[in-house]
Amino acid sequence: AQSVSQHNHHVILSEAASLELGCNYSYGGTVNLFWYVQYPGQHLQLLLKYFSGDPLVKGIKGFEAEFIKSKFSFNLRKPSVQWSDTAEYFCAANNNAGNMLTFGGGTRLMVKP
Amino acid sequence: DTAVSQTPKYLVTQMGNDKSIKCEQNLGHDTMYWYKQDSKKFLKIMFSYNNKELIINETVPNRFSPKSPDKAHLNLHINSLELGDSAVYFCASSPLIAGPSYEQYFGPGTRLTVT
Repeated sequence: AQSVSQHNHHVILSEAASLELGCNYSYGGTVNLFWYVQYPGQHLQLLLKYFSGDPLVKGIKGFEAEFIKSKFSFNLRKPSVQWSDTAEYFCAANNNAGNMLTFGGGTRLMVKP
Repeated sequence: DTAVSQTPKYLVTQMGNDKSIKCEQNLGHDTMYWYKQDSKKFLKIMFSYNNKELIINETVPNRFSPKSPDKAHLNLHINSLELGDSAVYFCASSPLIAGPSYEQYFGPGTRLTVT
């Protein structure tokens, strides 16, 4: 069965700390991977996505993620977080365009000023 | 201009009622979706609708029915509302063609509260 798992449910960091959020997937065949962010009271916005090519993907707002096929992982990173990064982060996957996304359980990030 | 819009933003209703949530996208996308986000923020796909082909998540009760009058609209109708239906419902759309430009665009959500 297709699944996406996020191991960190809640993360609390101070400003300027480095961030890494874990994401593992279980999918047959080719997989497309995404990270979405949901700021308090807002809808989901795409941070970055991976389809093929360079496994290190750079997204908006200084975020990046690395696709490691051998580990079935797509971890999200940011070298220095800001208070404004406080949000819920979702890893997601599908295996073809137009297919439904399978989401991980989300990670709630709180950045202390 | 709003890419994916939903109405209403908030919906409070009583158990047993029937309600609809509307979704419209102006991106020219081929595929639309409905997702449910529960109180623990867990997001789950409910439906995918592409060119009149409906793909249903089999865990969704048949009280939920998507209706698509045209490619730009995918409405969600819910019969006999139950307390457990309280959640935030997100509509999304995407192009069918794969590639670096592919992503799903989400609407602002509709917070449904069943009392």
